[in-house]
Parts: sequence; C-alpha cells; structure tokens
Amino acid sequence: DAKTTQPTSMDCAEGRAANLPCNHSTISGNEYVYWYRQIHSQGPQYIIHGLKNNETNEMASLIITEDRKSSTLILPHATLRDTAVYYCIVRPALGGNTDKLIFGTGTRLQVFP
Amino acid sequence: DAGVTQSPTHLIKTRGQQVTLRCSPKSGHDTVSWYQQALGQGPQFIFQYYEEEERQRGNFPDRFSGHQFPNYSSELNVNALLLGDSALYLCASSLALGRGYNEQFFGPGTRLTVL
Repeated sequence: DAKTTQPTSMDCAEGRAANLPCNHSTISGNEYVYWYRQIHSQGPQYIIHGLKNNETNEMASLIITEDRKSSTLILPHATLRDTAVYYCIVRPALGGNTDKLIFGTGTRLQVFP
Repeated sequence: DAGVTQSPTHLIKTRGQQVTLRCSPKSGHDTVSWYQQALGQGPQFIFQYYEEEERQRGNFPDRFSGHQFPNYSSELNVNALLLGDSALYLCASSLALGRGYNEQFFGPGTRLTVL
C-alpha cells in the first residue's frame, strides 16, 4: 500500500502557483520523498525528490516540513501543460533493499485559463 | 539520446491468449522495471530485472513473467490472459542501486485490451 495521502483533485488558474500537499506521517529516517507526474496517456515523469531539506529545480520546488511528516510540491507559475496527475511517493534512500516505486492514486491537477 | 521505448503501442487480445511486450531502456541504464496501470489507478509494480535476473517482484501471479537480455532490453510475458489484465503496461529504466542516482525513467506504455 502507498505510504502517502494526497487530495484527489485540485484546480489552479494559469500563471498562479500550484501547491500540492502530501502527507507521509509514517516516513522513516532513510526514506526520500519523490514526486512524479503523469500527463494523460503518457508514462510518469520524474519531477523532484528530497530527504529533509527544501529542494528546487527547473520544474518545481519541494518543501518538506521539519518533522518530515508532510510535504508540498510547488509549481511556481502553472501552465495548461501542467495539467496532470501528480504522485507523491516515499522511497528508501540509495543502497536500500528496494528500488520499486509504490504509487497511490495521486492528485489530479487541472490548470484552467 | 533515446529515452525508454516500448512496443507495441496498442494491443488487442482475447481471453486465454498469451502476450509479449517489449522495452528498450534509456541509454546507459541497466535496470528495467515493469508496472501495470489499470484505468483510474496509479501504476502497480510487477517486477524488476537486473543482470538478466528478476530482482524484485510485486504481488502478481506467475502468469506474469519476464526476461532481460544482455543488451538490457526486456520483455514482459502474460499467459492465460484475463479480462482484468486490460491495462497500460509501463516500463521504467534506471541505474542499479549503488551506482549513482537511480531516478526511474518511464516509457510511453503499451495499452493492452483483453476481450
């Protein structure tokens, strides 16, 4: 079973920031938080990952709470092309005994004009 | 740099038949994972291959089997197809653990319909 909880769906106006929350209250000390997204009829696409510090790349920012029990993915200026299902995944760090991704049902983000 | 490729794109089979799906990993990757995604659900892990051996397996019956070739490409075989096997089958490639950052890159998937 997935170790994360996400809202089923969210809406965001184009050009505004999209903030997607994720709860992972049972996360272990050696587990990372990963985010993937899946645009309709395509394979999932990696977005970002982090352990305990906030992370930023060209696609998004990841904010992880100090207790690591929740996180927020931020798309700073959402576009229509960001409409997708976003998956928050908890995963062991490199060197762990598993490399599989356990997906939940994700958050369906709809960006509107 | 070619990403992960899968073939065929779409496939229609009837119950009881067998099917083989193919995957070529991203250049430089040596590990292939297979996922099944039913309509409206997140992908579910089937198994992973590394060094031509199955390294991990999810909760799928033995009807699901696979193979990895020396060039790291992989096949997923499903025998005795059931209606419930209708799904999008995704292949993901990565570098083996301990050899660097192991982000998984996904292919576009094969849409299997069982009638």
